[in-house]
Amino acid sequence: EPEVTQTPSHQVTQMGQEVILRCVPISNHLYFYWYRQILGQKVEFLVSFYNNEISEKSEIFDDQFSVERPDGSNFTLKIRSTKLEDSAMYFCAVTQGNGGQPQHFGDGTRLSIL
Amino acid sequence: RKEVEQDPGPFNVPEGATVAFNCTYSNSASQSFFWYRQDCRKEPKLLMSVYSSGNEDGRFTAQLNRASQYISLLIRDSKLSDSATYLCVVNTFTGGGNKLTFGTGTQLKVEL
Repeated sequence: EPEVTQTPSHQVTQMGQEVILRCVPISNHLYFYWYRQILGQKVEFLVSFYNNEISEKSEIFDDQFSVERPDGSNFTLKIRSTKLEDSAMYFCAVTQGNGGQPQHFGDGTRLSIL
Repeated sequence: RKEVEQDPGPFNVPEGATVAFNCTYSNSASQSFFWYRQDCRKEPKLLMSVYSSGNEDGRFTAQLNRASQYISLLIRDSKLSDSATYLCVVNTFTGGGNKLTFGTGTQLKVEL
């Protein structure tokens, strides 16, 4: 069983629209992360989240982005007013603890902005 | 200097060969280190953690040198299925939370 599942697998959206990407971890994961990978580039950290709060965020994670865990299970990444350059793979990752253990990645959502 | 630097490759090797990948990182405060594997357009998958004492998992051996901020991965008896991009990954805890910093990856192609 995968540690985390992501939906949708592929999202196509018109520029300027809002998108919500979803991540569902198995129950004993408490720490959540979002990363993105633009085609042909490296994986980049966006944000970490614990106990309903952002723990750490990168320069990429500006006011256009937000995260929440609305129902105690789904962990969402919302991107407002999408731009062409938001097109990328978005990966959710999880860990059980905060001790620097490996993060386990979902299979990603491919976001295409037209 | 890049935060995590790797030779992008590609490394084209015959089946059965031994291949070594190197990586350097710039943040001396980094606490934990990993090699991940990524297949084309898929998610990164953990290959192994890397420890200063060196660690081995089957055909794979990883090594960390904190003094020189250098990480290595050795693959012995390479298989066709080892063809992938190998990502050197460094974890840093900044007081707020953990974050992984990825290298650009080294592409490996194992050929018959």
